[in-house]
Amino acid sequence: DIQLTQSPTTLSASVGDSVTITCRASQSINHWLAWYRQRPGMAPNLLIYDISNLEGGVPSRFRGAGFGTDFTLTITSLQPDDFGTYYCQQYKDSSRTFGQGTKVEIK
Amino acid sequence: EEQMVESGGDLVQPGGSLRLSCATSGFNFGAFWMNWVRQAPGKGLEWVANINGDGTEINYVDSVKGRFTIFRDNAQNSVFLQMSSLTAGDTAIYYCFYGHYSGHWGQGTLVTVSS
Repeated sequence: DIQLTQSPTTLSASVGDSVTITCRASQSINHWLAWYRQRPGMAPNLLIYDISNLEGGVPSRFRGAGFGTDFTLTITSLQPDDFGTYYCQQYKDSSRTFGQGTKVEIK
Repeated sequence: EEQMVESGGDLVQPGGSLRLSCATSGFNFGAFWMNWVRQAPGKGLEWVANINGDGTEINYVDSVKGRFTIFRDNAQNSVFLQMSSLTAGDTAIYYCFYGHYSGHWGQGTLVTVSS
């Protein structure tokens, strides 16, 4: 099974900062990667699919990049609303593995 | 609009069984893979199982193989997760979603395994 490793585990940044979360796959997943944000007590919310395609209604400050085994989610100009835990998810494999999550805190 | 409504979660004793249901609407159910994902308290998301559109392909995470069974009823637009030999490690909110990734999740259903 394909494993996904995210880093960092937590990050704290100020409004207006640019932050980057990394997701590394244990083998190539080509472009089959999505990103979600989850707020406490809520279901996950899809942000990006196929590495870099924004889900409808997601602000353009969210940017996905990468290919193969190494991927990034960058949030430019961090907003107070961006707090939460971010997960990557692969769908190259018949399983649908998630990364362990990155908690984003707003200073 | 696509909707997923999970149900069936409950408090169950270790070793017990439970059946979860996911009722869907708003999309061509029989054309899509359906997935179950869970989230233990304070933990991350864990994919549990999935099933293809006609039920001929099924996959499970290793930790539930032999204990959980996923199945679907395309006439009812529903997918189910039959869980047995439950342990405390299965305590979680269980979500369903369709396809390979999803912008549509239900509210989840809580399974608590405790004596």
